[in-house]
Amino acid sequence: GESVGLHLPTLSVQEGDNSIINCAYSNSASDYFIWYKQESGKGPQFIIDIRSNMDKRQGQRVTVLLNKTVKHLSLQIAATQPGDSAVYFCAENPKGGSQGNLIFGKGTKLSVKP
Amino acid sequence: DAGVTQSPTHLIKTRGQQVTLRCSPKSGHDTVSWYQQALGQGPQFIFQYYEEEERQRGNFPDRFSGHQFPNYSSELNVNALLLGDSALYLCASSWWGSTDTQYFGPGTRLTVL
Repeated sequence: GESVGLHLPTLSVQEGDNSIINCAYSNSASDYFIWYKQESGKGPQFIIDIRSNMDKRQGQRVTVLLNKTVKHLSLQIAATQPGDSAVYFCAENPKGGSQGNLIFGKGTKLSVKP
Repeated sequence: DAGVTQSPTHLIKTRGQQVTLRCSPKSGHDTVSWYQQALGQGPQFIFQYYEEEERQRGNFPDRFSGHQFPNYSSELNVNALLLGDSALYLCASSWWGSTDTQYFGPGTRLTVL
């Protein structure tokens, strides 16, 4: 399949280590943020979301942190596995949910070394 | 529970031709959004359909048009294809009144020669 990771920032981690992927968002009025994972040849897959009234949210092996002061979002993946290798995108939705357009940040390609 | 489905998977066209891409939303969803993803880039919003009407549009020319059917499925049409239209076209579905996010299909890879 095609690669969606060309010319993207790359993060390389050892299997079992924790990964941290960072993202700067653009619209200070946005109140809803999402992380998507995209494997080669596939569409973006929802990982976790967070609203602006929170600064941290945890899922299974993943944690999203939101710093509204500096418009920064991060995704932490615990005990990274080879199956986590993909391109990760943060997205914001100024309208807050299902309506409106998602604005995607630059992706980060995560490579997990066995 | 079927997720978002798109057809065809791959498509090759020549400059000047027209193309139609199709999307069926996830069960229970009534809103369809279309995105264009160039190689190495994040998806870019094209437009969103709800109740068979275009509700919001991104910065794409009128050559890009769409339609939503009563069963919530949708089509994306692109006329007068240009080489720069080569991309992965993604459909995302959601429920209009929900605070939930949009869920993506696998995409259609369009190549314009």
